[in-house]
Amino acid sequence: GQQLNQSPQSMFIQEGEDVSMNCTSSSIFNTWLWYKQEPGEGPVLLIALYKAGELTSNGRLTAQFGITRKDSFLNISASIPSDVGIYFCAGQLGTYKYIFGTGTRLKVLA
Amino acid sequence: DGGITQSPKYLFRKEGQNVTLSCEQNLNHDAMYWYRQDPGQGLRLIYYSQIVNDFQKGDIAEGYSVSREKKESFPLTVTSAQKNPTAFYLCASSTQGGTGELFFGEGSRLTVL
Repeated sequence: GQQLNQSPQSMFIQEGEDVSMNCTSSSIFNTWLWYKQEPGEGPVLLIALYKAGELTSNGRLTAQFGITRKDSFLNISASIPSDVGIYFCAGQLGTYKYIFGTGTRLKVLA
Repeated sequence: DGGITQSPKYLFRKEGQNVTLSCEQNLNHDAMYWYRQDPGQGLRLIYYSQIVNDFQKGDIAEGYSVSREKKESFPLTVTSAQKNPTAFYLCASSTQGGTGELFFGEGSRLTVL
């Protein structure tokens, strides 16, 4: 099935550093969603984006809907230990159809 | 609080047995979904339902069955025909009849012994 290209696959960073990750696709999306998932738990929606060029923040998280509608970026500023987890993107291709990235595993070193 | 409740959290099954995973939501969402999550892969759609008494196959429906008798409930049965059922299963629902934000339950981990 279709998947989004998400990078990097994993990141090891120091507490206090900023983090950037992105998703790209050959398809055009109507909506971009960003999630955080912890081991053994369901994904939690962090940010939803609906318009090309849209920039949305949620606390220390900022995400952007790419101008071409084929990509999206998530930034985390001033990382803290509880930011540890897997972050993944999802693009809405059509009604009821979502395509998911494979995730970026984030580890924060205190 | 509104949300999606999945049960059981962990389930063990012997080969040849059918098992049913429960999913209940109180978000008043019309659309509900079942996804399968395997390590290193993106989520894959098993089934989705737009409204009560209607559901559609997703990308990997073989060996699974669902029902949607109530708006709040969308149970998934993993049948003995599913060749590799050990996985993490996620139920989800979406706003506005299938457009926009997608919310997930806590997941159910099925292990076949």
